[in-house]
Amino acid sequence: ELKVEQNPLFLSMQEGKNYTIYCNYSTTSDRLYWYRQDPGKSLESLFVLLSNGAVKQEGRLMASLDTKARLSTLHITAAVHDLSATYFCAAGYNDKIIFGKGTRLHILP
Amino acid sequence: DSGVTQTPKHLITATGQRVTLRCSPRSGDLSVYWYQQSLDQGLQFLIQYYNGEERAKGNILERFSAQQFPDLHSELNLSSLELGDSALYFCASSVDFQPKNIQYFGAGTRLSVL
Repeated sequence: ELKVEQNPLFLSMQEGKNYTIYCNYSTTSDRLYWYRQDPGKSLESLFVLLSNGAVKQEGRLMASLDTKARLSTLHITAAVHDLSATYFCAAGYNDKIIFGKGTRLHILP
Repeated sequence: DSGVTQTPKHLITATGQRVTLRCSPRSGDLSVYWYQQSLDQGLQFLIQYYNGEERAKGNILERFSAQQFPDLHSELNLSSLELGDSALYFCASSVDFQPKNIQYFGAGTRLSVL
């Protein structure tokens, strides 16, 4: 059974610092998604990672995938307040898409 | 604005009732996805349609059903509602069924079952 675990679940950090959110999944997955959700808002797709070693970057966010370790990371560089949100990863295999519980990121000015 | 339209924004109903949630995808998108977000269950993928046909099925209850119409809009029908069905229901669309394509999400329908 595919399970997805994110950590940390809550992260408070200072502006300008770097940090990483980890997403582990338990069995084979052929795709890994990252999403952002602002409080009271809908989801926004950030990245789709399809192959081992895939790396994608958008602004201060960079996502990577290691299929052998069953691990994806979302790295935040020089955080700014606007990045405060909840970030979800989701792993997919065939028909299944399983979400992590989300990481609530709070960036202090 | 993602271009994905969901109606209604809010829905309040009673246990045992049936409701229909509607989703209009972005212009040109053929694939529609439905998701549920609740405090208890978190985010769950329910079902995907592509060009009118069911493409993938996730954790969708038997009391729930969906369809995609020839004009590509989709409806999610929830019946015999229970308190636990109270949640946010999101629809998303993408160009086709390929996993590499970004999904664009609607604003969601907040369902409250009393």
